[in-house]
Amino acid sequence: AQKVTQAQTEISVVEKEDVTLDCVYETRDTTYYLFWYKQPPSGELVFLIRRNSFDEQNEISGRYSWNFQKSTSSFNFTITASQVVDSAVYFCALSEALDSNYQLIWGAGTKLIIKP
Amino acid sequence: NAGVTQTPKFQVLKTGQSMTLQCAQDMNHNSMYWYRQDPGMGLRLIYYSASEGTTDKGEVPNGYNVSRLNKREFSLRLESAAPSQTSVYFCASSEDRVTPSYEQYFGPGTRLTVT
Repeated sequence: AQKVTQAQTEISVVEKEDVTLDCVYETRDTTYYLFWYKQPPSGELVFLIRRNSFDEQNEISGRYSWNFQKSTSSFNFTITASQVVDSAVYFCALSEALDSNYQLIWGAGTKLIIKP
Repeated sequence: NAGVTQTPKFQVLKTGQSMTLQCAQDMNHNSMYWYRQDPGMGLRLIYYSASEGTTDKGEVPNGYNVSRLNKREFSLRLESAAPSQTSVYFCASSEDRVTPSYEQYFGPGTRLTVT
């Protein structure tokens, strides 16, 4: 079965610390996409990043960076110099083929608490 | 630009009552989705509509029905609510479902409690 595992249920760090959220996936497909979404306390889900299975370059966007390693089936998310506003639940998701369509398989999420 | 809107934001039902959750998107997306979010379980797909005029079951469809009223609107109906349907419901849309790269855009959610 294809699935996405976010083993860290909750992480708590002090502001300005770096923190890494882990995401491990399983798939038999050769073409797939990985996503990260953020769910702040207000409840909405916000798209952060998309990465395709053929592009293993790391991506950096400000304080956010993503490390995709196909060899270990991982797509980890690092926040550098964390801030209180980063407090949220973060979801990793895998898009893969289902019949003639694609579906998103979601991880259970990691709750990140940034303490001032 | 409203994106994806959902109504209502909160609802309390008694067991056996029915209700319809409404969702609309203004991004001209082909595909729309209904998810439920329960603590510790991430998002689970209830139903989806790959394009106007089609609907299909997702991972947890039992107890729900959907209608894709037009390209913009996708409603979720609970015919006889049960306490197990207490959850937060999210509607989402994407450009289509045949391309794996399109991200989904989400509405603000509906918090439903069934007593």
